[in-house]
Amino acid sequence: DQQVKQNSPSLSVQEGRISILNCDYTNSMFDYFLWYKKYPAEGPTFLISISSIKDKNEDGRFTVFLNKSAKHLSLHIVPSQPGDSAVYFCAASGGTSGSRLTFGEGTQLTVNP
Amino acid sequence: NAGVTQTPKFRILKIGQSMTLQCTQDMNHNYMYWYRQDPGMGLKLIYYSVGAGITDKGEVPNGYNVSRSTTEDFPLRLELAAPSQTSVYFCASSYRAANTGELFFGEGSRLTVL
Repeated sequence: DQQVKQNSPSLSVQEGRISILNCDYTNSMFDYFLWYKKYPAEGPTFLISISSIKDKNEDGRFTVFLNKSAKHLSLHIVPSQPGDSAVYFCAASGGTSGSRLTFGEGTQLTVNP
Repeated sequence: NAGVTQTPKFRILKIGQSMTLQCTQDMNHNYMYWYRQDPGMGLKLIYYSVGAGITDKGEVPNGYNVSRSTTEDFPLRLELAAPSQTSVYFCASSYRAANTGELFFGEGSRLTVL
């Protein structure tokens, strides 16, 4: 039962353009969502989060949008840079999961110079 | 800043052997977690702890054991290694519960069971 899904295993964009990474969830009790970035041979690092009481959160080049009715969130990176090339994981928590995070499968973003 | 430190980084085990993955954090975080990541999959929670002396099962606890005798350390024990435990293991810690704050991860431990 995959409660958090990232349907695109990979995404390739040109430097300077927008990158949009998508994430869908099935558990309506989830109320907190996070994005993590992972470089090869390193642990994931926190990028940005959003609470279910908001529909948008922005931090520099990174913006996360939450559509609760569609159970969908997305991460926008504008402008994309080659250093953004990494695996991006969506994660969610809430309801009976308590303090535990449920992660998606990840999307490999490649930003081409 | 050391953050979360995991050892070893790589290990090859034979079926049936046992080992302990070590995890130490120096941020005085109450919450600690063990995740595993299989190829093409997201991170799956094995065990977690909300403080010294308290541990609880995650999504995939079978075949593993943990202890939390101090705030800093959260070792993960594999008693009878099986090929299905071949994975990359990540330890993480957080100041607040994962559903309100970010997790800080170690660099990972790659385990192969042959």
